Amino acid sequence: AQSVSQHNHHVILSEAASLELGCNYSYGGTVNLFWYVQYPGQHLQLLLKYFSGDPLVKGIKGFEAEFIKSKFSFNLRKPSVQWSDTAEYFCAVNRGLTNAGKSTFGDGTTLTVKP
Amino acid sequence: DAGVIQSPRHEVTEMGQEVTLRCKPISGHDYLFWYRQTMMRGLELLIYFNNNVPIDDSGMPEDRFSAKMPNASFSTLKIQPSEPRDSAVYFCASRTAGGWGTDTQYFGPGTRLTVL
Repeated sequence: AQSVSQHNHHVILSEAASLELGCNYSYGGTVNLFWYVQYPGQHLQLLLKYFSGDPLVKGIKGFEAEFIKSKFSFNLRKPSVQWSDTAEYFCAVNRGLTNAGKSTFGDGTTLTVKP
Repeated sequence: DAGVIQSPRHEVTEMGQEVTLRCKPISGHDYLFWYRQTMMRGLELLIYFNNNVPIDDSGMPEDRFSAKMPNASFSTLKIQPSEPRDSAVYFCASRTAGGWGTDTQYFGPGTRLTVL
């Protein structure tokens, strides 16, 4: 069974610091990769996704992620975080091509940005 | 579109009572997912449907949990009898069938369930 690992459970940064959240998955075939964000008290919403083409994907609010197939990774980055980025971030993977229904989510990383 | 709609937004009940959570997916979406989120266990997929048919219910914790999707615009998750350890936020999500798995899941606002 495929799994998704998010190595950092809780990250604390000061405003303007750079961010990188790790995500690794175990499935060896074609995958579609997602980052979702959950702001305090809200539901999950899509931040960005990758399914083909340029492995560097840009999302909303200045976030980007890089798909490195050889490392089975899809790390999320932002050069300068803001207090409003405080949230929980989930990496998710589903299998491509077969239109498999479900996504496998990581355990999430809680980001706290200090003003 | 109003997005995925869930009701109620909050539910407080006593142990042993039946709880029914409701979800209306986005019109035209073929997949519907039920998740549970807790501090201890994170986000767990309970069950998902494709075209109203349950595809994978391996995440349903036990027989006390059941889910139905009688039509394309409505699904329920029922817990009977409820227990304190069922306290969590339950999310419903939906997505289209197209795009070979590339399509985004759209999440509802969640139902915060507290079982006393």
